[in-house]
Amino acid sequence: AQSVTQPDIHITVSEGASLELRCNYSYGATPYLFWYVQSPGQGLQLLLKYFSGDTLVQGIKGFEAEFKRSQSSFNLRKPSVHWSDAAEYFCAVGAKSGTYKYIFGTGTRLKVLA
Amino acid sequence: DGGITQSPKYLFRKEGQNVTLSCEQNLNHDAMYWYRQDPGQGLRLIYYSQIVNDFQKGDIAEGYSVSREKKESFPLTVTSAQKNPTAFYLCASSTRDRKDRDEQFFGPGTRLTVL
Repeated sequence: AQSVTQPDIHITVSEGASLELRCNYSYGATPYLFWYVQSPGQGLQLLLKYFSGDTLVQGIKGFEAEFKRSQSSFNLRKPSVHWSDAAEYFCAVGAKSGTYKYIFGTGTRLKVLA
Repeated sequence: DGGITQSPKYLFRKEGQNVTLSCEQNLNHDAMYWYRQDPGQGLRLIYYSQIVNDFQKGDIAEGYSVSREKKESFPLTVTSAQKNPTAFYLCASSTRDRKDRDEQFFGPGTRLTVL
């Protein structure tokens, strides 16, 4: 069955510290991979996406993610977290062909300490 | 500016009433989606539509209905058959262009509360 797992429900980091949010997926073929961010009561904003090619993907707001096929992972990283990064982060998987459906992870809520 | 609008932002309804959530996009996207978001459960797909006058059930379609009469509009009706409709509802759209076909753009959401 296709699935996306974000094993960390909550993460707390200090401002200026590095960040890594984990995402593992189960999918029959190489999927499209996405990270979205959501502020409270708002819609989702795309941070970055992986379709093919270079497995290290750069996104907005200083975020990056690395696709590791052998580990079925697409972890999100940021070298220095800002207080404004506090939000909920969702990993998603989409099909390369056929259906346009996404599968979303359950999200990781990030808290940033001043 | 191109984007997706959802209205209203907050919606209250009494049990037993049907209610319709609006979703409009001016991105010229072919595909549109409705998701339901509950705390700790991520986003779950209710319905999606790839072209006008066609739509498919998602994972949790029971108690919901949709229509797609125009490319830019994809309203969602929450019927009285939906047992637990209180949730945050998100509408999204995506292009069918081969290069960016799977990037979904989201609206700001509608929070529905059943009283």
